[in-house]
Amino acid sequence: QKEVEQNSGPLSVPEGAIASLNCTYSDRVSQSFFWYRQYSGKSPELIMSIYSNGDKEDGRFTAQLNKASQYVSLLIRDSQPSDSATYLCAALRGNTPLVFGKGTRLSVIA
Amino acid sequence: DTGVSQDPRHKITKRGQNVTFRCDPISEHNRLYWYRQTLGQGPEFLTYFQNEAQLEKSRLLSDRFSAERPKGSFSTLEIQRTEQGDSAMYLCASSLQGAGTGELFFGEGSRLTVL
Repeated sequence: QKEVEQNSGPLSVPEGAIASLNCTYSDRVSQSFFWYRQYSGKSPELIMSIYSNGDKEDGRFTAQLNKASQYVSLLIRDSQPSDSATYLCAALRGNTPLVFGKGTRLSVIA
Repeated sequence: DTGVSQDPRHKITKRGQNVTFRCDPISEHNRLYWYRQTLGQGPEFLTYFQNEAQLEKSRLLSDRFSAERPKGSFSTLEIQRTEQGDSAMYLCASSLQGAGTGELFFGEGSRLTVL
Protein backbone atom coordinates (compact mmCIF):
# COMPACT_ATOMS: atom_id res chain seq x y z
CA GLN A 1 0.00 0.00 0.00
CA LYS A 2 1.36 3.38 -1.00
CA GLU A 3 1.68 5.91 1.79
CA VAL A 4 -0.39 8.54 0.01
CA GLU A 5 -3.22 7.50 -2.30
CA GLN A 6 -5.06 9.61 -4.83
CA ASN A 7 -7.45 8.85 -7.64
CA SER A 8 -5.52 9.65 -10.81
CA GLY A 9 -8.61 10.98 -12.59
CA PRO A 10 -9.16 12.75 -14.83
CA LEU A 11 -11.71 14.71 -12.87
CA SER A 12 -13.75 16.91 -15.17
CA VAL A 13 -15.83 19.79 -13.84
CA PRO A 14 -17.60 22.64 -15.64
CA GLU A 15 -16.33 26.16 -15.24
CA GLY A 16 -17.73 27.79 -12.10
CA ALA A 17 -18.35 24.49 -10.31
CA ILE A 18 -16.67 23.17 -7.17
CA ALA A 19 -13.86 20.68 -7.76
CA SER A 20 -13.28 18.20 -4.95
CA LEU A 21 -9.96 16.39 -4.79
CA ASN A 22 -9.36 13.62 -2.28
CA CYS A 23 -6.39 11.92 -0.71
CA THR A 24 -5.88 9.21 1.90
CA TYR A 25 -2.71 8.35 3.77
CA SER A 26 -1.62 5.19 5.52
CA ASP A 27 0.89 6.42 8.12
CA ARG A 28 -0.93 7.62 11.21
CA VAL A 29 2.21 9.39 12.38
CA SER A 30 2.00 11.84 9.46
CA GLN A 31 1.52 15.30 10.91
CA SER A 32 1.35 17.80 8.09
CA PHE A 33 -0.22 17.74 4.67
CA PHE A 34 0.31 19.72 1.53
CA TRP A 35 -1.35 20.27 -1.82
CA TYR A 36 0.86 21.01 -4.79
CA ARG A 37 -0.34 22.00 -8.25
CA GLN A 38 1.58 20.85 -11.32
CA TYR A 39 0.80 22.21 -14.76
CA SER A 40 1.67 20.01 -17.69
CA GLY A 41 5.40 20.17 -18.37
CA LYS A 42 6.06 22.26 -15.27
CA SER A 43 7.29 21.59 -11.74
CA PRO A 44 5.05 21.27 -8.69
CA GLU A 45 4.20 24.43 -6.76
CA LEU A 46 2.77 24.60 -3.28
CA ILE A 47 -0.78 25.93 -3.01
CA MET A 48 -2.00 24.84 0.44
CA SER A 49 -0.72 23.36 3.67
CA ILE A 50 -2.78 22.02 6.58
CA TYR A 51 -1.55 20.86 9.96
CA SER A 52 -4.61 20.34 12.16
CA ASN A 53 -8.04 18.79 11.84
CA GLY A 54 -10.70 20.90 10.20
CA ASP A 55 -10.82 23.33 7.33
CA LYS A 56 -8.33 25.90 6.11
CA GLU A 57 -9.41 28.44 3.52
CA ASP A 58 -7.25 30.51 1.18
CA GLY A 59 -9.14 32.38 -1.51
CA ARG A 60 -10.96 29.88 -3.71
CA PHE A 61 -9.14 26.95 -2.11
CA THR A 62 -10.17 25.05 1.02
CA ALA A 63 -8.10 22.22 2.47
CA GLN A 64 -9.76 19.76 4.83
CA LEU A 65 -8.05 17.33 7.17
CA ASN A 66 -9.55 14.46 9.15
CA LYS A 67 -6.78 12.63 11.01
CA ALA A 68 -9.13 10.03 12.47
CA SER A 69 -10.14 8.95 8.97
CA GLN A 70 -6.65 9.65 7.54
CA TYR A 71 -8.24 11.76 4.87
CA VAL A 72 -7.26 15.03 3.24
CA SER A 73 -9.19 16.94 0.62
CA LEU A 74 -8.91 20.09 -1.47
CA LEU A 75 -11.94 22.02 -2.65
CA ILE A 76 -11.63 24.54 -5.45
CA ARG A 77 -14.60 26.89 -5.67
CA ASP A 78 -15.61 28.71 -8.85
CA SER A 79 -13.28 26.49 -10.89
CA GLN A 80 -11.59 28.16 -13.83
CA PRO A 81 -9.98 26.66 -16.94
CA SER A 82 -6.67 27.92 -15.54
CA ASP A 83 -7.12 25.50 -12.62
CA SER A 84 -6.70 22.58 -15.03
CA ALA A 85 -3.61 20.79 -13.75
CA THR A 86 -2.50 17.80 -11.75
CA TYR A 87 -2.94 18.20 -8.00
CA LEU A 88 -0.48 16.34 -5.80
CA CYS A 89 -1.23 15.49 -2.19
CA ALA A 90 1.81 15.13 0.09
CA ALA A 91 2.35 14.03 3.67
CA LEU A 92 5.11 14.89 6.11
CA ARG A 93 6.15 12.87 9.14
CA GLY A 94 8.55 14.62 11.46
CA ASN A 95 11.77 15.48 9.70
CA THR A 96 11.45 12.84 6.98
CA PRO A 97 11.15 13.94 3.36
CA LEU A 98 7.78 14.78 1.87
CA VAL A 99 5.92 11.79 0.41
CA PHE A 100 3.76 12.51 -2.62
CA GLY A 101 0.75 10.77 -4.06
CA LYS A 102 0.55 10.13 -7.80
CA GLY A 103 -1.71 13.13 -8.31
CA THR A 104 -5.20 13.75 -9.62
CA ARG A 105 -5.59 15.35 -13.02
CA LEU A 106 -8.26 18.07 -13.01
CA SER A 107 -9.85 19.36 -16.18
CA VAL A 108 -12.11 22.43 -15.96
CA ILE A 109 -14.34 22.66 -19.01
CA ALA A 110 -15.27 26.14 -20.24
CA ASP B 1 15.95 35.20 -10.41
CA THR B 2 16.51 33.69 -6.96
CA GLY B 3 14.59 30.44 -7.41
CA VAL B 4 15.94 26.90 -7.68
CA SER B 5 17.86 26.36 -10.90
CA GLN B 6 18.77 23.08 -12.55
CA ASP B 7 21.14 22.26 -15.34
CA PRO B 8 20.92 20.83 -17.92
CA ARG B 9 17.19 21.05 -18.59
CA HIS B 10 17.34 18.18 -21.05
CA LYS B 11 19.82 15.36 -21.48
CA ILE B 12 19.76 12.60 -24.07
CA THR B 13 22.29 9.86 -23.59
CA LYS B 14 23.01 6.35 -24.68
CA ARG B 15 22.61 3.41 -22.35
CA GLY B 16 25.76 2.83 -20.34
CA GLN B 17 26.92 6.45 -20.30
CA ASN B 18 27.27 8.54 -17.16
CA VAL B 19 25.28 11.72 -16.63
CA THR B 20 25.49 14.47 -14.03
CA PHE B 21 22.85 17.01 -13.05
CA ARG B 22 23.42 20.19 -11.09
CA CYS B 23 21.05 22.02 -8.77
CA ASP B 24 21.45 25.47 -7.25
CA PRO B 25 18.95 25.94 -4.41
CA ILE B 26 17.48 29.13 -3.00
CA SER B 27 20.44 30.65 -1.19
CA GLU B 28 19.02 30.76 2.35
CA HIS B 29 17.56 27.23 2.21
CA ASN B 30 19.58 24.66 4.12
CA ARG B 31 17.73 21.60 2.83
CA LEU B 32 18.06 20.26 -0.68
CA TYR B 33 16.13 17.33 -2.12
CA TRP B 34 16.30 15.21 -5.24
CA TYR B 35 13.11 13.61 -6.54
CA ARG B 36 12.42 11.65 -9.69
CA GLN B 37 9.14 11.82 -11.60
CA THR B 38 7.88 9.67 -14.43
CA LEU B 39 4.75 10.22 -16.52
CA GLY B 40 1.56 9.82 -14.55
CA GLN B 41 3.34 9.48 -11.22
CA GLY B 42 4.04 11.84 -8.37
CA PRO B 43 7.57 12.85 -7.42
CA GLU B 44 9.49 9.94 -5.88
CA PHE B 45 12.05 10.77 -3.20
CA LEU B 46 15.68 9.95 -3.98
CA THR B 47 17.86 11.70 -1.41
CA TYR B 48 18.22 14.87 0.61
CA PHE B 49 20.83 17.05 2.26
CA GLN B 50 20.81 19.32 5.23
CA ASN B 51 23.64 21.73 4.59
CA GLU B 52 26.45 19.49 3.31
CA ALA B 53 25.31 16.33 5.11
CA GLN B 54 23.39 13.71 3.14
CA LEU B 55 20.78 12.66 5.67
CA GLU B 56 18.74 10.08 3.82
CA LYS B 57 18.75 8.03 0.66
CA SER B 58 15.79 6.12 -0.71
CA ARG B 59 16.04 2.35 -0.43
CA LEU B 60 15.04 2.31 -4.10
CA LEU B 61 18.16 4.23 -5.07
CA SER B 62 20.65 1.93 -6.74
CA ASP B 63 24.41 2.14 -6.24
CA ARG B 64 24.67 3.73 -9.67
CA PHE B 65 23.24 6.93 -8.23
CA SER B 66 25.37 9.29 -6.16
CA ALA B 67 24.74 12.80 -4.93
CA GLU B 68 26.91 15.43 -3.34
CA ARG B 69 26.45 18.86 -1.86
CA PRO B 70 29.91 20.24 -1.19
CA LYS B 71 30.03 23.22 1.15
CA GLY B 72 26.26 23.06 1.53
CA SER B 73 25.56 25.09 -1.57
CA PHE B 74 24.86 23.55 -4.98
CA SER B 75 24.32 19.82 -5.41
CA THR B 76 25.11 17.31 -8.11
CA LEU B 77 23.36 14.04 -8.90
CA GLU B 78 25.36 11.54 -10.95
CA ILE B 79 23.97 8.44 -12.58
CA GLN B 80 26.55 5.93 -13.73
CA ARG B 81 26.01 3.32 -16.43
CA THR B 82 22.58 4.68 -17.31
CA GLU B 83 19.75 2.31 -18.14
CA GLN B 84 16.56 2.95 -20.09
CA GLY B 85 14.62 2.73 -16.83
CA ASP B 86 16.47 5.82 -15.62
CA SER B 87 14.58 7.95 -18.14
CA ALA B 88 12.60 10.44 -16.07
CA MET B 89 12.39 14.02 -14.90
CA TYR B 90 14.86 14.66 -12.09
CA LEU B 91 13.54 17.37 -9.81
CA CYS B 92 15.54 19.33 -7.29
CA ALA B 93 13.84 21.20 -4.47
CA SER B 94 14.97 23.23 -1.51
CA SER B 95 13.40 24.23 1.77
CA LEU B 96 14.10 25.60 5.20
CA GLN B 97 14.49 23.18 8.07
CA GLY B 98 11.78 23.15 10.71
CA ALA B 99 8.42 24.73 10.06
CA GLY B 100 9.17 25.10 6.37
CA THR B 101 10.25 21.51 5.83
CA GLY B 102 7.13 20.57 3.88
CA GLU B 103 7.17 23.72 1.80
CA LEU B 104 9.38 22.72 -1.06
CA PHE B 105 10.44 25.02 -3.86
CA PHE B 106 11.11 23.03 -7.00
CA GLY B 107 13.38 23.78 -9.89
CA GLU B 108 12.22 23.28 -13.46
CA GLY B 109 13.74 19.82 -13.55
CA SER B 110 16.26 17.98 -15.68
CA ARG B 111 14.69 15.59 -18.17
CA LEU B 112 16.77 12.52 -18.90
CA THR B 113 16.21 10.31 -21.92
CA VAL B 114 18.27 7.14 -22.14
CA LEU B 115 18.33 5.58 -25.60
